[in-house]
Amino acid sequence: RKEVEQDPGPFNVPEGATVAFNCTYSNSASQSFFWYRQDCRKEPKLLMSVYSSGNEDGRFTAQLNRASQYISLLIRDSKLSDSATYLCVVNMGTGGFKTIFGAGTRLFVKA
Amino acid sequence: DAGVTQSPTHLIKTRGQHVTLRCSPISGHKSVSWYQQVLGQGPQFIFQYYEKEERGRGNFPDRFSARQFPNYSSELNVNALLLGDSALYLCASSLIQRGSQGDTQYFGPGTRLTVL
Repeated sequence: RKEVEQDPGPFNVPEGATVAFNCTYSNSASQSFFWYRQDCRKEPKLLMSVYSSGNEDGRFTAQLNRASQYISLLIRDSKLSDSATYLCVVNMGTGGFKTIFGAGTRLFVKA
Repeated sequence: DAGVTQSPTHLIKTRGQHVTLRCSPISGHKSVSWYQQVLGQGPQFIFQYYEKEERGRGNFPDRFSARQFPNYSSELNVNALLLGDSALYLCASSLIQRGSQGDTQYFGPGTRLTVL
């Protein structure tokens, strides 16, 4: 079993749609969680941190369920510019002594 | 403020050669991590350095080594290059403070290594 698993993609959605990405992690000692976005042939960029209480940033909502070892990302009112690969990231140990990325889920938003 | 910088941007080497990649973290950041990303996969953790000491190592062979300098910049060295080492090598810096905000890693643009 992979340490961090994401929904296989790609997701093809029309503009304005709501799309949800899921991610599970295997190590219960994992300490911090993030979603990154990566455009083609570019570096990953932080989208948002993920907290147990849930957090929202505009059209993006992230949620962490420690009991189920599950992380989610919801994108509302999808835009063409949201087309990218979304990476689930789990840190084990303070300061990222071991950082595990999921394989990523590719999102295509169509006009 | 300058972000994370990496050099070179592209590199072509042949099998058996060695390579040195360089990274400068965001000013004030004391931790640098290195990742390898092959096409179609997420980045794979290679090393993390903090205050010039290795604090974490991924599942990579001893051909991969790194170091961090007093100014917190870092080098990744790969010896005896194999075709499978062709990848995007990413460097990330972080502050390392209490709380998850300190774990946030900011990535440089990467070095694209091609091994022929």
